[in-house]
Amino acid sequence: AQSVTQPDIHITVSEGASLELRCNYSYGATPYLFWYVQSPGQGLQLLLKYFSGDTLVQGIKGFEAEFKRSQSSFNLRKPSVHWSDAAEYFCAVGDLKLIFGAGTRLAVHP
Amino acid sequence: GAGVSQSPSNKVTEKGKDVELRCDPISGHTALYWYRQSLGQGLEFLIYFQGNSAPDKSGLPSDRFSAERTGGSVSTLTIQRTQQEDSAVYLCASSLEVTSAFFGQGTRLTVV
Repeated sequence: AQSVTQPDIHITVSEGASLELRCNYSYGATPYLFWYVQSPGQGLQLLLKYFSGDTLVQGIKGFEAEFKRSQSSFNLRKPSVHWSDAAEYFCAVGDLKLIFGAGTRLAVHP
Repeated sequence: GAGVSQSPSNKVTEKGKDVELRCDPISGHTALYWYRQSLGQGLEFLIYFQGNSAPDKSGLPSDRFSAERTGGSVSTLTIQRTQQEDSAVYLCASSLEVTSAFFGQGTRLTVV
């Protein structure tokens, strides 16, 4: 069955600290992988995507993610978090129909 | 407009009434998607339109839900005889390619 697991429901980091949000997937074929961010009351904004090629992909707002086929993972990272990064982050897999993880809510302490 | 536009942004309706939710995709985008976001179920795929092909309705939760896309552009999601469990945020997305979907800000539906 196709699925996405985001093990961390809530994460709190201090401003300026590094961040890693975990994502594991189960998908029959070579996956298309995505990270979206959702601020309160807003829609989903695409941060980055992986289709093929270089397994380290760069996105907007200083985020990057690394595809590791052997671990079925696509973790999102940022070297230095800003207060404005506080939001909910969703990992997704698929092509025509996206399957989303449950999301990780990020809080940033000043 | 530059992005996906959804209307209304909020809708409160009485149980048993019908509602229509509208989505204006990004101009030129051939694919249009509807998703539902609720506390208990997370983000769920509902329906997908691609060009003139028959829509993929596999995610619609019941026959009370239907959607159409007129002229390959604007889409309307209709929920008949609304129930309290239909309360959720309904998100529309469009894309030019198979991937890279851009989402609207959603319609928050509350059934009372």
